[in-house]
Amino acid sequence: EAGVVQSPRYKIIEKKQPVAFWCNPISGHNTLYWYLQNLGQGPELLIRYENEEAVDDSQLPKDRFSAERLKGVDSTLKIQPAELGDSAVYLCASGHRDLPDTQYFGPGTRLTVL
Amino acid sequence: QKEVEQNSGPLSVPEGAIASLNCTYSDRGSQSFFWYRQYSGKSPELIMSIYSNGDKEDGRFTAQLNKASQYVSLLIRDSQPSDSATYLCAVISGGGADGLTFGKGTHLIIQP
Repeated sequence: EAGVVQSPRYKIIEKKQPVAFWCNPISGHNTLYWYLQNLGQGPELLIRYENEEAVDDSQLPKDRFSAERLKGVDSTLKIQPAELGDSAVYLCASGHRDLPDTQYFGPGTRLTVL
Repeated sequence: QKEVEQNSGPLSVPEGAIASLNCTYSDRGSQSFFWYRQYSGKSPELIMSIYSNGDKEDGRFTAQLNKASQYVSLLIRDSQPSDSATYLCAVISGGGADGLTFGKGTHLIIQP
């Protein structure tokens, strides 16, 4: 079974530029999460989707961050404009309704904002 | 504010010894508890989950939960150099598919 796929794996941009990250969850997983992990910290939840519905986006900085999961499968997380403090690893995770609390993480996208 | 606290370490343990990792959480209503292992530059990997007070064993790993003390621990027996990693404690407060609240992680070093 293929795991969670994320792209790109690495991204370097200038501040104020836009950036987008893509996630393809494990086949059949209805729940999708985006987490942010700063160096030396644990991941922090940004947004959770149940199918195509964002059921928890309370931690998503909505002034510059947006996310979508239009068909309830793939998801895109966007930052516009990026700031220096956005440099981090962005992790996508997915889960299945039969094991709702078990989350499988993708490899992450390491973002560097210069 | 839901918090999960861990000693960031590093925790250095000789090969073959028992490594003991500890975690406390603030939300008394928390239902599900997890230990993830994260190698440098890699994503978190689930190694143990525990839901009830007491011990849960899986191979060389034992998770311990004490809800009254709001305390979770992970024991690694017969530690191997390959166990060197950061161990993240994570909690789900509401149950089900809620997002995980992670601690900062404990950096474990197994000395050959």
